[in-house]
Formats: sequence, C-alpha cells, structure tokens
Amino acid sequence: QVQLVESGGALVTPGGSLRLSCAASGFAFSDFYMSWIRQAPGKGLEWVAYISAFAGSTSYADSVKGRFTISRDSSKSSLFLQMNTLRADDTAVYYCVRQSVVAPAAYFDFWGQGTLVTVSS
Amino acid sequence: SYELTQPPSVSVSPGQTARITCSGIKLGNKYVCWFQQKPGQSPVLVIYHNIKRPSGIPERFSGSNSENTATLTISGTQAMDEADYYCQAWDSTSVFGTGTKVTVL
Repeated sequence: QVQLVESGGALVTPGGSLRLSCAASGFAFSDFYMSWIRQAPGKGLEWVAYISAFAGSTSYADSVKGRFTISRDSSKSSLFLQMNTLRADDTAVYYCVRQSVVAPAAYFDFWGQGTLVTVSS
Repeated sequence: SYELTQPPSVSVSPGQTARITCSGIKLGNKYVCWFQQKPGQSPVLVIYHNIKRPSGIPERFSGSNSENTATLTISGTQAMDEADYYCQAWDSTSVFGTGTKVTVL
C-alpha cells in the first residue's frame, strides 16, 4: 500500500533553515509528481510546491518562492523540502503528497501524516 | 490570485443530504477535487475530476461543477462524515478552498 512518511519537523528560530524529508513506498515513486502542502494550526490547506516525475520541473507558491526548494532522489524514493529564511507564518504541519497526473487534470491522491514545523524565538 | 470560497459551516441531520459549495470565477472551466479531513488526521481525497470517486469512498459522496460553483453532496449523511471539507482546483498553481466544517446533529 502507498505510504508517505515525513520527517524533519522541528522548532526553529526566525531566519533559520530546515530540511524536511519524505520516504515513499508502495508505488513507483519515479513515475509520480510530488507536492508539499501545509496547514497552519487551526487553518486551511495551502499548497507549497511540486516537482515533476523526473525532476525537470518545479513550481512554488508565491509565499515561499525564493526561500524554499523542493527536490527528490528517485533512487531512494525520497522527497525533500529545503526551507530557508523561515518566518513565523511558515509555522504549519507540512504534508508530503502524491500527485497523480491523469488527464484531464492532476489531483492529490495520497497524503502523508505530516510533520510539524514551528518557527518561533 | 485565484480564490475559492466555501461556507464556513454546514449542519445536517443524520440521514439527510449535505451540500457544500465552492465558488470561484469560471470554476466550471476547471476540474475540482474535494478532500475530507477529520480532527488530527491527514486529508483524504473523496472526489476528483469534479465527479469521480476514488476506490473505497462511499457512493453517498458525489460532486458536480458548473459555471462558478462546484458542489460536494453527501447523501444519507452519517455521523462518521462529520469533518472539514476542502475543495481544490488548479489555476496557474494549486488553490484550495477556505474549508467547510460539516456538523452532523
């Protein structure tokens, strides 16, 4: 069965950096786009970034562009999110999400359990 | 930027029909997904491509999308359907709706 297990969440001070990881199993990781989606405490869902199946293409939300970098290592079935210059409003649970790109449109079909990032002094 | 608006809350009696709307400019030209999120859990996909149900999602969940409004309908609502529901669509990037809390009383 599909499993997505995030790790790396922590308490970090404003301006700091953090790297999140996601270990995927149960499917052909290299065949799928992957996304990071976050949820601030008590708030709604916010898409953060996606990476294409062969890592040739990435896209970011305006709120993180220039600060966050999504990457993948398909040989290890792993997804990453490098987060720099963190701000208090980056505080959220970060979900690793599989993105099925099936015509006519992509959709998020499996979600990990999430990892909590807290940005505070 | 593109916005999707949902009512903050919907209340429904057990066995009745709950309808959750998602509004956006020319939303009918896009493909909408719906996610269910129970407290302390990760979101679960319940509808994709406006009307399709993933395997394992009960038939009481259905979707529609026309003009400026997409609707998630839960027929014969059960207590286990009490949750937050989010719509989602793609513009230049992915956009989520504001979320609706469904209460089954």
